[in-house]
Amino acid sequence: DIQMTQSPSSLSASVGDRVTITCRASQGIRNDLGWYQHKPGKAPKRLIYAASSLQSGVPSRFSGSGSGTEFTLTISSLQPEDFATYYCLQHNSYPRTFGQGTTVEIK
Amino acid sequence: EVQLVESGGGLVQPGGSLRLSCAASGFTFSSYWMSWVRQAPGKGLEWVANINQDGSEKNYVDSVKGRFTISRDNAKNSLYLQMNSLRAEDTAVYYCTRGGGTFDIWGQGTMVTVSS
Repeated sequence: DIQMTQSPSSLSASVGDRVTITCRASQGIRNDLGWYQHKPGKAPKRLIYAASSLQSGVPSRFSGSGSGTEFTLTISSLQPEDFATYYCLQHNSYPRTFGQGTTVEIK
Repeated sequence: EVQLVESGGGLVQPGGSLRLSCAASGFTFSSYWMSWVRQAPGKGLEWVANINQDGSEKNYVDSVKGRFTISRDNAKNSLYLQMNSLRAEDTAVYYCTRGGGTFDIWGQGTMVTVSS
């Protein structure tokens, strides 16, 4: 199985901050990676697909980069509605595997 | 409006069975792979299973192989998850999602609690 190691597991940040979350795959996955935002009691929401493509309707402050084994989700200027848990997900092979999640909290 | 609505969750005893359903609307259901993803209380997201457009290919996470069966009825625009031999560790919110590995549409989820 491909292990997805996400860091940090949590972070505290202020509105307006730049936030970066990293995901590392245990083996190369090309660009077969997505980023998801999940708020309590809500359905998860895809932000990024194919490592760097922005999902339609998602604000441009979200961006993704990387290929192979190292991937990054960046929020350029954190907004109040961005406080949530973020997950990476690889779909290069089975089983599909998520990172353990990064909770972004208000500082 | 593109929508997925899960149903069928509830409380079941260890060793019991439950069948989850997912009703799709607003898109051509038969054109898409579909998946189930779950989240146990206080834990992260876990992919459970997927199925291709005509139901001829199915894949499962190891922890549910032999116990869960994913299926679909394209005439009814519906996805199913038959869960047998349920264990406490299957307790989770189960989400229906569109896609085989990248998931652009998600349902609101249905809670499954396995407890005596």
